[in-house]
Amino acid sequence: QVQLVQSGAEVKKPGASVKVSCKASGYTFSTYDINWVRQATGQGLEWMGWMNPKSGNTGYARKFQGRVTMTRNTSMSTAYMELSSLTSEDTAVYYCARGLDNSREFDPWGQGTLVIVSS
Amino acid sequence: QSVLTQPPSASGTPGQRVTISCSGSSSNIGGNYVYWYQQLPGTAPKLLIYRNDQRPSGVRDRFSGSKSGNSASLAISGLRSEDEAYYYCSSWDDRLSGSVVFGGGTKLTVL
Repeated sequence: QVQLVQSGAEVKKPGASVKVSCKASGYTFSTYDINWVRQATGQGLEWMGWMNPKSGNTGYARKFQGRVTMTRNTSMSTAYMELSSLTSEDTAVYYCARGLDNSREFDPWGQGTLVIVSS
Repeated sequence: QSVLTQPPSASGTPGQRVTISCSGSSSNIGGNYVYWYQQLPGTAPKLLIYRNDQRPSGVRDRFSGSKSGNSASLAISGLRSEDEAYYYCSSWDDRLSGSVVFGGGTKLTVL
């Protein structure tokens, strides 16, 4: 079945960077975009951007431009999201999700990766 | 502050029908499809409705979606205890080079 499996929890200090991975299986990785969405504790969902695994093209939410980089390793069917200059406000669960319908529909989602930013 | 507006909470008793609203504008809901996600406690969101009113395979027909103008609704009939979850609407917003926008989420409680 289609599945996205993410890397484990991370604890980072303010100012550092974090890189989260998302390994796809059960479908042809290059066929669909990978999107990233985050959720702070007790808060709603916040879209961060998309990455096309075939071309490497990306599109980032304005809020994260300059601070987020989405990449991929097609031979490993794995997508990556790196967020730099971390602050406590970046503490959240980060989800990857396969993008359908011109990357506006997300199905399925990865299990989530908790990133804690603390000094 | 979310671009799409949802009520923070909704509730119903088993067997009842409940609706959750999602309000936006012409730049998002008014001109684009609406999607709905269900997030059970401690789990990742799951696609519930796509393209306003379509159900993915495996989603029970107790869940239905609709859209009118700049607003959309999710209806759940025959409410069950396992429906207790957060529900989020989303759409594409054509402003600022385009982006996916979400509602703030609605916590559904089954009394």
